[in-house]
Amino acid sequence: DTEVTQTPKHLVMGMTNKKSLKCEQHMGHRAMYWYKQKAKKPPELMFVYSYEKLSINESVPSRFSPECPNSSLLNLHLHALQPEDSALYLCASSQDMIAGVQETQYFGPGTRLLVL
Amino acid sequence: AQSVTQLGSHVSVSEGALVLLRCNYSSSVPPYLFWYVQYPNQGLQLLLKYTSAATLVKGINGFEAEFKKSETSFHLTKPSAHMSDAAEYFCAVHRSNDYKLSFGAGTTVTVRA
Repeated sequence: DTEVTQTPKHLVMGMTNKKSLKCEQHMGHRAMYWYKQKAKKPPELMFVYSYEKLSINESVPSRFSPECPNSSLLNLHLHALQPEDSALYLCASSQDMIAGVQETQYFGPGTRLLVL
Repeated sequence: AQSVTQLGSHVSVSEGALVLLRCNYSSSVPPYLFWYVQYPNQGLQLLLKYTSAATLVKGINGFEAEFKKSETSFHLTKPSAHMSDAAEYFCAVHRSNDYKLSFGAGTTVTVRA
């Protein structure tokens, strides 16, 4: 089973709202990722967690706050977003983040976010 | 840094015709290469991956890709296109220096009846 689940599927929020995106995997993977994808563009890496510790932050604005409560869960907390933050937010996981086949990333279906 | 280039942002094929999507990589060491497909309003699905075990890699849905070191290419093919193959296709390379997945710009495939 290579399933990564994400909730909600769609989210509409105002610029003053606080919301959270949730990602879950039960493959025993120890690396989890957040990506942002604009229409007709490839995904852009935002954050990487490895063994529940933040490993990579791609200079993402602080209005995005990731959290990894345990090895199966990854959250992305959103606050005071801008309309340009509207995008598809993808979660992915891999067995590990070292070089080799273990780094094959499996993606969830995404959360489509609209900021008004 | 390792990267991939996808030639052609849009490919249109007739149903039953060959699908050929081109991907070239830049790497001084054998890379880990991937093809992902993204259907409308969905996430990315792994089609296949090259891991140096074999140069011809078979994936899901009848797709395969051939790793050619001499041409630094990893082109994706399917002998006979189906309407359900209409999607966005991304070639990607796993960068060994910083462990990130570097994506190509993507190729949109449309299938004509």
